[in-house]
Amino acid sequence: QKEVEQNSGPLSVPEGAIASLNCTYSDRGSQSFFWYRQYSGKSPELIMFIYSNGDKEDGRFTAQLNKASQYVSLLIRDSQPSDSATYLCAVKSTNAGGTSYGKLTFGQGTILTVHP
Amino acid sequence: NAGVTQTPKFRILKIGQSMTLQCTQDMNHNYMYWYRQDPGMGLKLIYYSVGAGITDKGEVPNGYNVSRSTTEDFPLRLELAAPSQTSVYFCASRTGTDEQFFGPGTRLTVL
Repeated sequence: QKEVEQNSGPLSVPEGAIASLNCTYSDRGSQSFFWYRQYSGKSPELIMFIYSNGDKEDGRFTAQLNKASQYVSLLIRDSQPSDSATYLCAVKSTNAGGTSYGKLTFGQGTILTVHP
Repeated sequence: NAGVTQTPKFRILKIGQSMTLQCTQDMNHNYMYWYRQDPGMGLKLIYYSVGAGITDKGEVPNGYNVSRSTTEDFPLRLELAAPSQTSVYFCASRTGTDEQFFGPGTRLTVL
């Protein structure tokens, strides 16, 4: 059973701080990693994806990937109250033959609250 | 573009009843997926399709069936509803770059 685990929440940070969200995965063959944001009662929306080891920055968001440690993280700089949501880590999984058909395995999510 | 649409938004079923959750996308995506999300949990894949006429099971397919007769539509059928199927159901379609677009979801309660 391929697993994706996220750091337990909820996570509460003050406005303007850096929020750090972490995720580990069990399938060493995984190649693609995604962070989705889900507001309460809404559907998930993609905010970042990363394929290569290292950092990838997009505005206030930075995704970090370490395939050797099977670890992916999301940093949110200058956190805003509008960032308050559940953040879902997702990993593109493969079957025994190595094909994926784009299937994603999701972590359980981390609830982030940014307080003024 | 409407993106991915789902109907109904809410539904209450009695144990043993059946229903079909509708999903339509207008982005001409070949890949489509059905997920369920239980409270406080991530999404679990029920079924997926790589094109019209081709479907396969995901992680939690028991109690569900799907069909894919057109590129646009990917309905999910619940037979003999059980309380364990109380959940929020999301349909998604996928671009060529792996991004999945999700519909607004159907909140289902089985009593």
